[in-house]
Amino acid sequence: KAGVTQTPRYLIKTRGQQVTLSCSPISGHRSVSWYQQTPGQGLQFLFEYFSETQRNKGNFPGRFSGRQFSNSRSEMNVSTLELGDSALYLCASTQPGDAYEQYFGPGTRLTVT
Amino acid sequence: GDSVTQMEGPVTLSEEAFLTINCTYTATGYPSLFWYVQYPGEGLQLLLKATKADDKGSNKGFEATYRKETTSFHLEKGSVQVSDSAVYFCALRGRAGGTSYGKLTFGQGTILTVHP
Repeated sequence: KAGVTQTPRYLIKTRGQQVTLSCSPISGHRSVSWYQQTPGQGLQFLFEYFSETQRNKGNFPGRFSGRQFSNSRSEMNVSTLELGDSALYLCASTQPGDAYEQYFGPGTRLTVT
Repeated sequence: GDSVTQMEGPVTLSEEAFLTINCTYTATGYPSLFWYVQYPGEGLQLLLKATKADDKGSNKGFEATYRKETTSFHLEKGSVQVSDSAVYFCALRGRAGGTSYGKLTFGQGTILTVHP
């Protein structure tokens, strides 16, 4: 079974621009979660989508948004980029079951200049 | 809210040494607990899990036991290898209602370096 895929793997943007990141979950997984990883703040939860609906949201400004499509693929969007948005953005798909264990993609490395 | 605290790193060991990385948590209810590992330039890989008190998760020689009385989930390995060098994250998924399903709360991570 193919793992979680994220595109692109690397991205360089300029302050003020916007960016869209894509995530394809493991086949059969309907929940997709997004995390931001930075050296200073560690791993922080952004949001979770399940069946095209946002089910949970972390403490990030409204510039961060996402959506999920009927095939469970998800995108996240960051508008008006700031230098502090430079990070590794990780997507995870959740396996149904008691533990709801999450499987992560390789991440998208976003650099804002 | 939920929180996870890991021992401060980095941890440096010689090959075949015993490894312990401490993890304690704060959560309401009965969370599920996980250890993830991250190799340079990669995403997180699930190492092991435990879903209820006294469960022992194990994988690739690593073990961790869910201790509700001490709210801990310490990671151990009897004999580390150079290939175990990575960053290790302890995480929990709360059970305080359905809104917690897709949210993991992570510790700050512990860098492990194993020398030959």
